[in-house]
Amino acid sequence: NAGVTQTPKFRVLKTGQSMTLLCAQDMNHEYMYWYRQDPGMGLRLIHYSVGEGTTAKGEVPDGYNVSRLKKQNFLLGLESAAPSQTSVYFCASSYAGLADEQFFGPGTRLTVL
Amino acid sequence: GQQLNQSPQSMFIQEGEDVSMNCTSSSIFNTWLWYKQDPGEGPVLLIALYKAGELTSNGRLTAQFGITRKDSFLNISASIPSDVGIYFCAGKLNSGGYQKVTFGTGTKLQVIP
Repeated sequence: NAGVTQTPKFRVLKTGQSMTLLCAQDMNHEYMYWYRQDPGMGLRLIHYSVGEGTTAKGEVPDGYNVSRLKKQNFLLGLESAAPSQTSVYFCASSYAGLADEQFFGPGTRLTVL
Repeated sequence: GQQLNQSPQSMFIQEGEDVSMNCTSSSIFNTWLWYKQDPGEGPVLLIALYKAGELTSNGRLTAQFGITRKDSFLNISASIPSDVGIYFCAGKLNSGGYQKVTFGTGTKLQVIP
């Protein structure tokens, strides 16, 4: 039982490049979330999903896209990376919404040059 | 957007000392959460508080839900080296049928053996 895993752990991109971050959970959770963590700020919600095939915008969705084709996976895409997207990205999942405990992955540290 | 202010931002303490940190908001919440983030890992839930005035313990950790519902406190007694990490508070509020979570800015704790 691995919980929430994220791939890759680290990545360096040049401005304008694209990439996809993968989040996987093996707890059969319906809800999945993508957050970014920046120095001096709390975690901010980028996008979330309430079930397979659904996605919704969070607090800071601009510049990101997501897909939830399978219940266990939640992908975060950057189509054209910008230096402002340098951050640590965390994926989380919960069984039934934010009323339940969220379980976080170990994070992906992304640097955009 | 809404922000939770945590203080102190960082602290160095001697092993064996007690630690106090707090989280304040201009808005009320109906649930307060405290997380710990170890270096290179995602946040892990320590304590959840559901009622104003509630005091809850988890081992050496004790947290309180402020009576005004705008603040929360976390105490760690008899600190040990493995307490090192970043402690985040989070507030939950049901807004328009949707649970919204706001994370604090974090308190970085360093324990000197």
